[in-house]
Amino acid sequence: GESVGLHLPTLSVQEGDNSIINCAYSNSASDYFIWYKQESGKGPQFIIDIRSNMDKRQGQRVTVLLNKTVKHLSLQIAATQPGDSAVYFCADLLPPGGYNKLIFGAGTRLAVHP
Amino acid sequence: DGGITQSPKYLFRKEGQNVTLSCEQNLNHDAMYWYRQDPGQGLRLIYYSQIVNDFQKGDIAEGYSVSREKKESFPLTVTSAQKNPTAFYLCASSMGETGAAEQYFGPGTRLTVT
Repeated sequence: GESVGLHLPTLSVQEGDNSIINCAYSNSASDYFIWYKQESGKGPQFIIDIRSNMDKRQGQRVTVLLNKTVKHLSLQIAATQPGDSAVYFCADLLPPGGYNKLIFGAGTRLAVHP
Repeated sequence: DGGITQSPKYLFRKEGQNVTLSCEQNLNHDAMYWYRQDPGQGLRLIYYSQIVNDFQKGDIAEGYSVSREKKESFPLTVTSAQKNPTAFYLCASSMGETGAAEQYFGPGTRLTVT
């Protein structure tokens, strides 16, 4: 399949290890954040979201942490599997009052090795 | 199954020709979006529509046009005025301004212009 993001930062992990993908945002008024997973040649898939009134949210094998002080969020994947190999994007929502405009980061490629 | 479909998956055109990319959704979503994705970059918003018969320019609208005659459909035309049309194009939809911000993506169309 095609590759999107040929020159993205890459995180390489061993199968079974935990992965941490980081993302910085610039708009201090952002109040909603989403992590997407994009496999090669496909559209992004929703993983997990978090609102600014939360510091942490857990899903199945994934946890998102939000640090509003330094405008940083991270995605933690537990027991990383080969199927987790993909590009991961964080996106934040412009302040309410406008349309649902998501601002996407450049993405991080996660490579899982057996 | 509900979802977003984009067609075709691959599209090849000669320089100077207009080309229209299809996007259809049966999720009953009010809002629809078009993004462009280039290698090494995140998604950039081309156009969005919050409601039928209304649409707004995104960050990189020059050289593109859209229509929203039906709730289910949001076709994108890449005109000959677009200087670098070769890219991966993604369509998305969401419930709308008052609904969840999560956007659901289609599988994408890879356009190659030579």
